[in-house]
Amino acid sequence: NAGVTQTPKFQVLKTGQSMTLQCAQDMNHNSMYWYRQDPGMGLRLIYYSASEGTTDKGEVPNGYNVSRLNKREFSLRLESAAPSQTSVYFCASSEAASGRAVPRNEQFFGPGTRLTVL
Amino acid sequence: AQSVTQLGSHVSVSEGALVLLRCNYSSSVPPYLFWYVQYPNQGLQLLLKYTSAATLVKGINGFEAEFKKSETSFHLTKPSAHMSDAAEYFCAGSDGWGNEKLTFGTGTRLTIIP
Repeated sequence: NAGVTQTPKFQVLKTGQSMTLQCAQDMNHNSMYWYRQDPGMGLRLIYYSASEGTTDKGEVPNGYNVSRLNKREFSLRLESAAPSQTSVYFCASSEAASGRAVPRNEQFFGPGTRLTVL
Repeated sequence: AQSVTQLGSHVSVSEGALVLLRCNYSSSVPPYLFWYVQYPNQGLQLLLKYTSAATLVKGINGFEAEFKKSETSFHLTKPSAHMSDAAEYFCAGSDGWGNEKLTFGTGTRLTIIP
């Protein structure tokens, strides 16, 4: 199993350009997440999808959109990139779904995408 | 809502010495707590997790953590540091039961001195 995969690994954009970060998992997990990691700030949740067909905002959603394409794939789109979006982006997945009798919150992470916006 | 605080953004220990990384949580309900490790230019890897089954949790690479409700703490320890332990460590928590979102601490960078 590949686990969680992300593409691309690196990307440089100019201010105002758009791009989509791709994420896929092969563990049949219900929930998927997008985080950004900035020095000294840990990981902050951008958006998450508790199950196929649903998405919700996290802590820092402004400037981003997401699509849960199917159970495996969860993409993150920057419509008009800004220098403040320079960061490392991580996708994660977990088995947990709301209402489960035994919550399993362990999240599995992809290798990350390092994005620079000039 | 859950919040997680890691004390000390940088910790240095000598090779062979005790490693202690601190994490405190605040939650109105019994929490689920995790420690993750991140090696340079890699994603996060689970070290261990607390899900109320036992207060002393053993993880990979010789790490363990003890859940102390009275102190709202979940500190990570390893008796003898190894050079390969140099990495960034994140504590994370959730309120559990139907809430899949994790709240991460700001991380602690561990340096091992030869």
